[in-house]
Amino acid sequence: ETGVTQSPTHLIKTRGQQVTLRCSSQSGHNTVSWYQQALGQGPQFIFQYYREEENGRGNFPPRFSGLQFPNYSSELNVNALELDDSALYLCASSLDSFYGYTFGSGTRLTVV
Amino acid sequence: AQSVAQPEDQVNVAEGNPLTVKCTYSVSGNPYLFWYVQYPNRGLQFLLKYITGDNLVKGSYGFEAEFNKSQTSFHLKKPSALVSDSALYFCAVRVNNAGNMLTFGGGTRLMVKP
Repeated sequence: ETGVTQSPTHLIKTRGQQVTLRCSSQSGHNTVSWYQQALGQGPQFIFQYYREEENGRGNFPPRFSGLQFPNYSSELNVNALELDDSALYLCASSLDSFYGYTFGSGTRLTVV
Repeated sequence: AQSVAQPEDQVNVAEGNPLTVKCTYSVSGNPYLFWYVQYPNRGLQFLLKYITGDNLVKGSYGFEAEFNKSQTSFHLKKPSALVSDSALYFCAVRVNNAGNMLTFGGGTRLMVKP
């Protein structure tokens, strides 16, 4: 059974640029969530997708968007990057969001 | 709105001693409660969860947690700490039919000294 894999592991972008982060869900999981973890803080919920539809969103602006594909992999897109977007971005998958969530190792995004 | 508080930024314990990492929550509804552990430059690893049933939940690596509804607490415990338990621990809560999101506490750094 494979876990959740995220790519890339590290990324450096310039303010104003756009970025796409990718996540492959654990086999058999149909729900994927994205979290932002700033340095020294707990993860903050960005949004969740269930069977390719967004079904929950946290307090993040519209420049944070996502997709879930038929194979349940997912992308997080961030437009017009700001310095405060520098963080560890975590992807988590689950089966119907009832059971425990399996987290990936994250993508460390640095905006300069 | 749901919230989680981890009142201690850091907990220090000697190897072999029992450890407790505290968590309190605030929700309107029945909570699903989780503990995760994070090692440096890694994602979150699931330790245990409370959904319903027995208030004492046993999880991975010898950890357990007790759900106390009257005190709205879900403290993480281990009878005998190991140096390898040193890491960042997060408590999280989810309320069914409330946006499907996990709300995390700010984390507690556990330091186990030999």
